[in-house]
Amino acid sequence: NAGVMQNPRHLVRRRGQEARLRCSPMKGHSHVYWYRQLPEEGLKFMVYLQKENIIDESGMPKERFSAEFPKEGPSILRIQQVVRGDSAAYFCASSPGATGRNEKLFFGSGTQLSVL
Amino acid sequence: KQEVTQIPAALSVPEGENLVLNCSFTDSAIYNLQWFRQDPGKGLTSLLLIQSSQREQTSGRLNASLDKSSGRSTLYIAASQPGDSATYLCAVQRMDSSYKLIFGSGTRLLVRP
Repeated sequence: NAGVMQNPRHLVRRRGQEARLRCSPMKGHSHVYWYRQLPEEGLKFMVYLQKENIIDESGMPKERFSAEFPKEGPSILRIQQVVRGDSAAYFCASSPGATGRNEKLFFGSGTQLSVL
Repeated sequence: KQEVTQIPAALSVPEGENLVLNCSFTDSAIYNLQWFRQDPGKGLTSLLLIQSSQREQTSGRLNASLDKSSGRSTLYIAASQPGDSATYLCAVQRMDSSYKLIFGSGTRLLVRP
């Protein structure tokens, strides 16, 4: 029973390139969450998706960032025209249903994005 | 706005010592508080979850307490071991949007052999 799988583990991009981060939730989980961790900071919520729907993207920068969770396949976090400030660890989490009281999120190992 | 603060930012102790990590939050309208462990290059592992109606939770050598009225939680680690070296994060689950965990910046713990 694999956990939340994220790939790649490390991604290096030059300024102006695109970064695509992938997340496969745990088996049976249909809710996905993306968090970003900047150096020396805590994780910050970015976006919450269900299959084919964005539920809440209030934590995501308005420009250059987008996320999707298609009917088939992993969730994708896409960052266009990356800048050095995008360098961070990006974590994905999943849950079987909508998190309510006391329901845990299960986190992946993260993707470390480095922008040169 | 909910803010979560963890002190100290870093801690180094000799093996065998008992230690306490602190977490404070500004808004008491929470469902629960969780303590996570983060190892370099790895994901987060949930250690303990304390519901808002509870005062503490225990798992092995770990004990977490919650005082919602004062906005504080502590993680107590008994008889620390080098394998406990990691970053410990606390996070609160808000009542108004329960899928948004609000994390502290973490405490980096080093247990010296």
